[in-house]
Amino acid sequence: DTEVTQTPKHLVMGMTNKKSLKCEQHMGHRAMYWYKQKAKKPPELMFVYSYEKLSINESVPSRFSPECPNSSLLNLHLHALQPEDSALYLCASSHTGTGQANYGYTFGSGTRLTVV
Amino acid sequence: GQSLEQPSEVTAVEGAIVQINCTYQTSGFYGLSWYQQHDGGAPTFLSYNALDGLEETGRFSSFLSRSDSYGYLLLQELQMKDSASYFCAVNTNAGKSTFGDGTTLTVKP
Repeated sequence: DTEVTQTPKHLVMGMTNKKSLKCEQHMGHRAMYWYKQKAKKPPELMFVYSYEKLSINESVPSRFSPECPNSSLLNLHLHALQPEDSALYLCASSHTGTGQANYGYTFGSGTRLTVV
Repeated sequence: GQSLEQPSEVTAVEGAIVQINCTYQTSGFYGLSWYQQHDGGAPTFLSYNALDGLEETGRFSSFLSRSDSYGYLLLQELQMKDSASYFCAVNTNAGKSTFGDGTTLTVKP
Protein backbone atom coordinates (compact mmCIF):
# COMPACT_ATOMS: atom_id res chain seq x y z
CA ASP A 1 0.00 0.00 0.00
CA THR A 2 1.63 3.22 -1.16
CA GLU A 3 -1.19 5.61 -0.35
CA VAL A 4 -2.17 8.16 2.20
CA THR A 5 -5.94 8.13 2.68
CA GLN A 6 -7.81 11.20 3.90
CA THR A 7 -11.44 11.48 4.93
CA PRO A 8 -13.70 13.23 4.32
CA LYS A 9 -12.88 14.59 0.86
CA HIS A 10 -15.16 17.59 1.35
CA LEU A 11 -16.44 19.20 4.53
CA VAL A 12 -18.70 22.18 5.14
CA MET A 13 -18.93 23.30 8.74
CA GLY A 14 -20.36 26.19 10.69
CA MET A 15 -18.24 28.35 12.95
CA THR A 16 -19.67 26.71 16.07
CA ASN A 17 -19.23 23.13 14.87
CA LYS A 18 -16.66 20.56 15.97
CA LYS A 19 -15.36 18.20 13.30
CA SER A 20 -12.35 15.98 12.70
CA LEU A 21 -10.22 15.23 9.66
CA LYS A 22 -8.68 11.78 9.42
CA CYS A 23 -5.54 10.49 7.73
CA GLU A 24 -4.21 6.95 7.43
CA GLN A 25 -1.06 5.43 5.95
CA HIS A 26 0.25 1.86 5.88
CA MET A 27 3.68 2.45 4.39
CA GLY A 28 5.54 2.16 7.70
CA HIS A 29 6.36 5.87 7.58
CA ARG A 30 7.29 7.29 10.98
CA ALA A 31 6.69 10.97 10.24
CA MET A 32 3.29 12.46 9.47
CA TYR A 33 2.34 16.02 8.62
CA TRP A 34 -0.60 18.37 8.31
CA TYR A 35 -0.41 21.09 5.66
CA LYS A 36 -2.89 23.81 4.75
CA GLN A 37 -3.14 25.03 1.17
CA LYS A 38 -5.06 28.02 -0.13
CA ALA A 39 -5.87 28.38 -3.82
CA LYS A 40 -2.85 29.24 -6.00
CA LYS A 41 -0.55 29.09 -2.97
CA PRO A 42 2.03 26.52 -1.77
CA PRO A 43 1.26 24.04 1.01
CA GLU A 44 1.92 25.61 4.43
CA LEU A 45 3.14 23.38 7.22
CA MET A 46 0.96 23.18 10.32
CA PHE A 47 2.13 20.20 12.39
CA VAL A 48 4.74 17.45 12.31
CA TYR A 49 4.53 14.16 14.17
CA SER A 50 7.70 12.09 14.40
CA TYR A 51 7.45 8.61 15.91
CA GLU A 52 3.93 9.49 17.14
CA LYS A 53 5.10 12.54 19.07
CA LEU A 54 4.32 16.12 18.11
CA SER A 55 7.66 17.58 17.07
CA ILE A 56 6.66 20.78 15.28
CA ASN A 57 3.72 23.15 15.73
CA GLU A 58 4.07 26.09 13.36
CA SER A 59 2.28 28.48 15.72
CA VAL A 60 -1.09 27.16 14.63
CA PRO A 61 -4.16 28.60 16.45
CA SER A 62 -5.56 26.34 19.16
CA ARG A 63 -8.81 25.89 17.23
CA PHE A 64 -6.78 23.28 15.31
CA SER A 65 -5.81 20.32 17.49
CA PRO A 66 -3.76 17.43 16.08
CA GLU A 67 -3.73 13.90 17.41
CA CYS A 68 -1.68 10.83 16.49
CA PRO A 69 -3.38 7.75 17.98
CA ASN A 70 -0.81 5.35 16.48
CA SER A 71 1.88 5.18 13.83
CA SER A 72 -0.66 4.82 11.00
CA LEU A 73 -3.25 7.40 11.96
CA LEU A 74 -3.31 11.16 12.19
CA ASN A 75 -6.32 13.30 13.09
CA LEU A 76 -6.95 17.01 13.00
CA HIS A 77 -9.71 18.19 15.33
CA LEU A 78 -11.43 21.42 14.35
CA HIS A 79 -13.42 23.70 16.65
CA ALA A 80 -14.73 27.25 16.32
CA LEU A 81 -13.13 27.82 12.94
CA GLN A 82 -13.32 31.07 10.99
CA PRO A 83 -14.27 31.51 7.33
CA GLU A 84 -10.62 32.33 6.55
CA ASP A 85 -9.73 28.78 7.63
CA SER A 86 -11.44 27.50 4.48
CA ALA A 87 -8.73 25.69 2.51
CA LEU A 88 -7.45 22.32 1.32
CA TYR A 89 -6.01 20.39 4.26
CA LEU A 90 -3.36 17.93 3.23
CA CYS A 91 -1.93 15.06 5.21
CA ALA A 92 1.47 13.68 4.25
CA SER A 93 3.87 11.04 5.49
CA SER A 94 7.57 10.26 5.04
CA HIS A 95 10.10 7.67 6.16
CA THR A 96 11.46 9.82 8.95
CA GLY A 97 11.07 13.40 10.04
CA THR A 98 14.74 14.25 10.01
CA GLY A 99 17.91 13.42 8.19
CA GLN A 100 19.04 13.11 4.65
CA ALA A 101 17.09 9.91 4.21
CA ASN A 102 13.89 11.90 3.95
CA TYR A 103 13.20 11.00 0.34
CA GLY A 104 10.05 12.99 -0.05
CA TYR A 105 6.53 13.12 1.18
CA THR A 106 3.54 11.07 0.11
CA PHE A 107 0.48 13.30 0.20
CA GLY A 108 -3.13 12.33 0.62
CA SER A 109 -5.73 13.79 -1.73
CA GLY A 110 -6.78 16.28 0.90
CA THR A 111 -9.95 17.49 2.58
CA ARG A 112 -11.51 20.57 1.01
CA LEU A 113 -12.89 22.48 3.99
CA THR A 114 -15.41 25.30 3.77
CA VAL A 115 -16.29 27.22 6.92
CA VAL A 116 -19.60 29.08 6.74
CA GLY B 1 14.03 31.38 8.24
CA GLN B 2 13.86 29.94 4.77
CA SER B 3 13.21 31.49 1.39
CA LEU B 4 12.85 29.90 -2.01
CA GLU B 5 12.52 31.54 -5.40
CA GLN B 6 11.16 29.96 -8.55
CA PRO B 7 9.53 31.48 -11.63
CA SER B 8 5.78 31.95 -11.32
CA GLU B 9 4.94 30.79 -14.85
CA VAL B 10 6.56 28.89 -17.70
CA THR B 11 5.05 28.07 -21.10
CA ALA B 12 6.37 25.52 -23.59
CA VAL B 13 5.14 23.42 -26.50
CA GLU B 14 4.59 19.69 -26.65
CA GLY B 15 7.78 17.75 -27.23
CA ALA B 16 10.00 20.55 -25.97
CA ILE B 17 12.34 20.64 -22.97
CA VAL B 18 11.74 23.03 -20.09
CA GLN B 19 13.84 23.87 -17.04
CA ILE B 20 12.36 25.25 -13.81
CA ASN B 21 14.93 26.88 -11.56
CA CYS B 22 14.87 27.18 -7.80
CA THR B 23 17.18 29.18 -5.57
CA TYR B 24 16.99 28.91 -1.82
CA GLN B 25 18.29 30.37 1.40
CA THR B 26 18.08 28.23 4.50
CA SER B 27 20.03 26.91 7.44
CA GLY B 28 20.37 23.22 8.22
CA PHE B 29 19.91 22.25 4.56
CA TYR B 30 19.52 18.54 3.88
CA GLY B 31 18.08 18.37 0.40
CA LEU B 32 15.84 19.76 -2.30
CA SER B 33 12.62 18.06 -3.37
CA TRP B 34 10.32 18.64 -6.33
CA TYR B 35 6.56 18.10 -6.41
CA GLN B 36 3.95 18.23 -9.16
CA GLN B 37 0.39 19.34 -8.46
CA HIS B 38 -2.46 19.32 -10.95
CA ASP B 39 -5.42 21.64 -10.43
CA GLY B 40 -7.69 20.20 -7.76
CA GLY B 41 -5.19 17.46 -6.92
CA ALA B 42 -2.62 16.77 -4.24
CA PRO B 43 1.14 17.30 -4.58
CA THR B 44 2.99 14.29 -5.98
CA PHE B 45 6.64 13.71 -5.15
CA LEU B 46 8.89 13.80 -8.22
CA SER B 47 12.50 13.78 -7.06
CA TYR B 48 14.96 14.53 -4.27
CA ASN B 49 18.57 15.74 -4.36
CA ALA B 50 20.73 15.64 -1.26
CA LEU B 51 24.08 15.73 -3.06
CA ASP B 52 25.38 17.84 -5.93
CA GLY B 53 24.60 16.56 -9.38
CA LEU B 54 21.86 15.28 -11.59
CA GLU B 55 19.19 12.71 -10.70
CA GLU B 56 17.24 11.23 -13.60
CA THR B 57 13.82 9.59 -13.41
CA GLY B 58 12.37 8.94 -16.82
CA ARG B 59 11.50 12.20 -18.58
CA PHE B 60 12.21 14.22 -15.45
CA SER B 61 15.65 15.13 -14.08
CA SER B 62 16.62 17.25 -11.12
CA PHE B 63 19.90 18.99 -10.40
CA LEU B 64 21.41 20.44 -7.25
CA SER B 65 24.38 22.68 -6.55
CA ARG B 66 24.74 23.05 -2.80
CA SER B 67 27.51 25.65 -3.10
CA ASP B 68 25.23 27.86 -5.25
CA SER B 69 22.05 27.11 -3.24
CA TYR B 70 20.46 26.33 -6.58
CA GLY B 71 18.59 23.53 -8.21
CA TYR B 72 16.44 22.89 -11.23
CA LEU B 73 13.86 20.47 -12.55
CA LEU B 74 14.23 19.49 -16.18
CA LEU B 75 11.23 18.10 -18.05
CA GLN B 76 11.88 16.50 -21.43
CA GLU B 77 9.55 15.45 -24.25
CA LEU B 78 6.80 17.58 -22.77
CA GLN B 79 3.27 16.24 -22.90
CA MET B 80 -0.04 18.05 -22.39
CA LYS B 81 -0.52 16.16 -19.13
CA ASP B 82 2.61 17.84 -17.75
CA SER B 83 0.63 21.10 -17.45
CA ALA B 84 0.58 21.57 -13.67
CA SER B 85 2.17 23.50 -10.83
CA TYR B 86 5.68 22.48 -9.82
CA PHE B 87 7.02 23.20 -6.35
CA CYS B 88 10.56 23.02 -5.07
CA ALA B 89 10.88 22.35 -1.34
CA VAL B 90 13.84 22.44 1.01
CA ASN B 91 14.28 19.70 3.58
CA THR B 92 16.14 20.82 6.67
CA ASN B 93 17.51 19.34 9.87
CA ALA B 94 14.48 20.83 11.63
CA GLY B 95 12.53 17.88 10.26
CA LYS B 96 10.26 19.69 7.85
CA SER B 97 9.89 20.72 4.22
CA THR B 98 9.19 24.31 3.21
CA PHE B 99 7.72 24.85 -0.23
CA GLY B 100 8.45 27.53 -2.79
CA ASP B 101 5.55 29.51 -4.26
CA GLY B 102 5.32 27.17 -7.24
CA THR B 103 5.72 27.45 -11.00
CA THR B 104 2.71 27.04 -13.25
CA LEU B 105 3.74 25.14 -16.37
CA THR B 106 1.50 25.42 -19.40
CA VAL B 107 2.17 23.01 -22.26
CA LYS B 108 0.69 24.08 -25.61
CA PRO B 109 0.04 21.89 -28.65
